Amino acid sequence: KNEVEQSPQNLTAQEGEFITINCSYSVGISALHWLQQHPGGGIVSLFMLSSGKKKHGRLIATINIQEKHSSLHITASHPRDSAVYICAVRSGQGAQKLVFGQGTRLTINP
Amino acid sequence: GAGVSQSPSNKVTEKGKDVELRCDPISGHTALYWYRQRLGQGLEFLIYFQGNSAPDKSGLPSDRFSAERTGESVSTLTIQRTQQEDSAVYLCATRTRMWYGELFFGEGSRLTVL
Repeated sequence: KNEVEQSPQNLTAQEGEFITINCSYSVGISALHWLQQHPGGGIVSLFMLSSGKKKHGRLIATINIQEKHSSLHITASHPRDSAVYICAVRSGQGAQKLVFGQGTRLTINP
Repeated sequence: GAGVSQSPSNKVTEKGKDVELRCDPISGHTALYWYRQRLGQGLEFLIYFQGNSAPDKSGLPSDRFSAERTGESVSTLTIQRTQQEDSAVYLCATRTRMWYGELFFGEGSRLTVL
């Protein structure tokens, strides 16, 4: 079993729908990252979480440390949100090696 | 520079040749990671540098792979005697020393071994 599991692996939705991507992990962590990888391959960091909830525009990320679970939500989804979304965790004190989930491929149709 | 810079952006080489990939971190970013992403697959950790501490090399797939970094400067990833299975995009990411530092990724170096 992978240390970081994402679901779903693929998600197709219509423009305007509310999107949820889930990430579960099995190790103790100091931080969790949500990343976005565009079709051209570039990766950008969306959020870094250690507790609670963060919001940037239409994106919301939450984390439950006790349940070892995080979710990424997209409100009012748009075709330009189509990308691969990757969850990555940093474990241990002064966390070093990042462990990545396999990613969720999101396609938003107009 | 303003972002993480990687070079070359594309490299095509023949099986058995050595290649060197370069990552220029954002100024002040002490932590530097190398990752590999094979076609259609997820990100695979290779190596991590944090300042002058000993690097975490636990992700290097074989002794043909090595990486160097002096202090907080440029890092080079070297692959000796390349094999076709080494074909991938090699990504570099950096962050500040602080545990809450955001990650910044380079655009990657696409390596094709013929």
